[in-house]
Amino acid sequence: GQNIDQPTEMTATEGAIVQINCTYQTSGFNGLFWYQQHAGEAPTFLSYNVLDGLEEKGRFSSFLSRSKGYSYLLLKELQMKDSASYLCAVYDSNYQLIWGAGTKLIIKP
Amino acid sequence: GAVVSQHPSWVICKSGTSVKIECRSLDFQATTMFWYRQFPKQSLMLMATSNEGSKATYEQGVEKDKFLINHASLTLSTLTVTSAHPEDSSFYICSARELGGGDTDTQYFGPGTRLTVL
Repeated sequence: GQNIDQPTEMTATEGAIVQINCTYQTSGFNGLFWYQQHAGEAPTFLSYNVLDGLEEKGRFSSFLSRSKGYSYLLLKELQMKDSASYLCAVYDSNYQLIWGAGTKLIIKP
Repeated sequence: GAVVSQHPSWVICKSGTSVKIECRSLDFQATTMFWYRQFPKQSLMLMATSNEGSKATYEQGVEKDKFLINHASLTLSTLTVTSAHPEDSSFYICSARELGGGDTDTQYFGPGTRLTVL
């Protein structure tokens, strides 16, 4: 079957750095996405990785290792507004988007 | 950036009535649109995939006669919840994708529609 695993919840301190991991087992791979979702709102696109390595976008970076079926989202200089759920999703061989259950990130002052 | 709108943002209706939700891609043509529902504290659940000009493909367990999807143009898809019941109350979210490789395969989400059926 197809499976995406990410931690259910994480807590971090304002101004710190946090890394949210995602491991996947899918039938084929055509890219991995990270989305941010605030409570009661729709997801917003953060990043897309299809090749191995690190993609940096401001305070957010996303890393991919296809051989390990692994990705992480790195958030630097955490702000209170970063409190949200972070969803990992993978395109399988049919371009079907397989979703993780999401990681709820709690930021404390 | 790619913008997807949804209308209405929220709707309250009586049991037995039908509700139509619109999803529009505002600055790109979406060959494929997706409809999701999300219950509180749960992840997104794909309901159906619609391609412009063809019938929608429904996920297992989703009643196609209850959730009618019409992808009439490259910028508009509609979801109609027919004979809505309280258990249909949920957060319905659409997304749109323009195939083309790289970031253009990204799904961009509408803001969602919160449906409450009394």
